[in-house]
Amino acid sequence: DAGITQSPRHKVTETGTPVTLRCHQTENHRYMYWYRQDPGHGLRLIHYSYGVKDTDKGEVSDGYSVSRSKTEDFLLTLESATSSQTSVYFCAIRPPRQGEVNEQFFGPGTRLTVL
Amino acid sequence: LAKTTQPISMDSYEGQEVNITCSHNNIATNDYITWYQQFPSQGPRFIIQGYKTKVTNEVASLFIPADRKSSTLSLPRVSLSDTAVYYCLVGSNFGNEKLTFGTGTRLTIIP
Repeated sequence: DAGITQSPRHKVTETGTPVTLRCHQTENHRYMYWYRQDPGHGLRLIHYSYGVKDTDKGEVSDGYSVSRSKTEDFLLTLESATSSQTSVYFCAIRPPRQGEVNEQFFGPGTRLTVL
Repeated sequence: LAKTTQPISMDSYEGQEVNITCSHNNIATNDYITWYQQFPSQGPRFIIQGYKTKVTNEVASLFIPADRKSSTLSLPRVSLSDTAVYYCLVGSNFGNEKLTFGTGTRLTIIP
């Protein structure tokens, strides 16, 4: 295993409530990513981080914020959850380049349901 | 980012060789081609990556023609455990780490 955990693994919440998902790595890698996966869309990048306090937006960042205060933790926050944010959320890490350009290791995912 | 096109689904029998082709007509000079595999209820897993010609590892082979506008993932002698979604990605690594996943190819292995 790549040493990635996500918490919680499942969550049901109500529209308008704040939600924070946590991604934790034990590999000390610089790059971390948050994706969402919905039927018919594959995986779409929400935000990514290239170091402590260094983050950038992906293609579907509206409604989400992230924070990275420590190398090992990357938090994804939905300030006010909406039903359209019901999805499976995957965190990923990328080891330093060693001939493999685009290899990312993914966590087990968090299934979020917003009622 | 280069757009990729791959079949939505494929079926194959156990023991057969499976070839999944991906089109990427707008691939850039610096782009690499990477394939990921995803089982139900799991995150994607890296399978193989290449830039040109042929790459082989213990899991699969990747064939890339000279013009690099397409690529073929080859899985030898598939088994039921190869049933999964396979994603073709194209991208580079020059300060922008964004990967673009399409909808992938759902491969079903029939006993």
